[in-house]
Amino acid sequence: EVQLVQSGAEVKKPGESLKISCRGSGYRFTSSWIGWVRQMPGKGLEWMGIIYPGDSDSRYSPSFQGQVTMSADKSIGTAYLQWSSLKASDTAMYYCAIGHSFDIWGQGTMVTVSS
Amino acid sequence: DIQMTQSPSSLSASVGDRVTITCRASQGIRNDLGWYQQKPGKAPKRLVYAASSLQSGVPSRFSGSGSGTEFTLTISSLQPEDFATYYCLQHNNYPFTFGPGTKVDIK
Repeated sequence: EVQLVQSGAEVKKPGESLKISCRGSGYRFTSSWIGWVRQMPGKGLEWMGIIYPGDSDSRYSPSFQGQVTMSADKSIGTAYLQWSSLKASDTAMYYCAIGHSFDIWGQGTMVTVSS
Repeated sequence: DIQMTQSPSSLSASVGDRVTITCRASQGIRNDLGWYQQKPGKAPKRLVYAASSLQSGVPSRFSGSGSGTEFTLTISSLQPEDFATYYCLQHNNYPFTFGPGTKVDIK
């Protein structure tokens, strides 16, 4: 069964760093893009960017370029999304999903940033 | 960037109703479009890919159509489990973009 399993909920303070993960299984991890999606509380879905774990080629939405960093460790089949300095406005649910067309989604990671 | 619009933004319907949601792209995207259903507190789920291909396991009352700039998602006979928010996603041109969503609730 193809699935993505994301890391657990996080509560952080403004200015802290964070790295959340998305582990793929049941398919060839290095051969499928993995994308990230933000959903702020009560709002719609926002496409953040996408990474190809095979060579770490990545594309960012201009809205998120420079704000987050995507990476992947193909040796353990895991993609990551990280922040170097969180803001309260980063509070949201973050989803990873497979492929350009997002055919399989992770369960989501809730990130809460509050002083 | 390609802008995606959806209409209506919300609708109220009854069980058994036929429901149509429209998604429009600001420029042509061939058939590089998917439709997603999201229920409260859950991750989105893909219903349709390549504009008109039904995802495996999705009930046949769902269908997608369109190409270029205008696309539709149709639910032929609305069921209680279909009350949710629906999004389209274009993946033709970076940055990919979602539509703003259509919330379907009970009349």
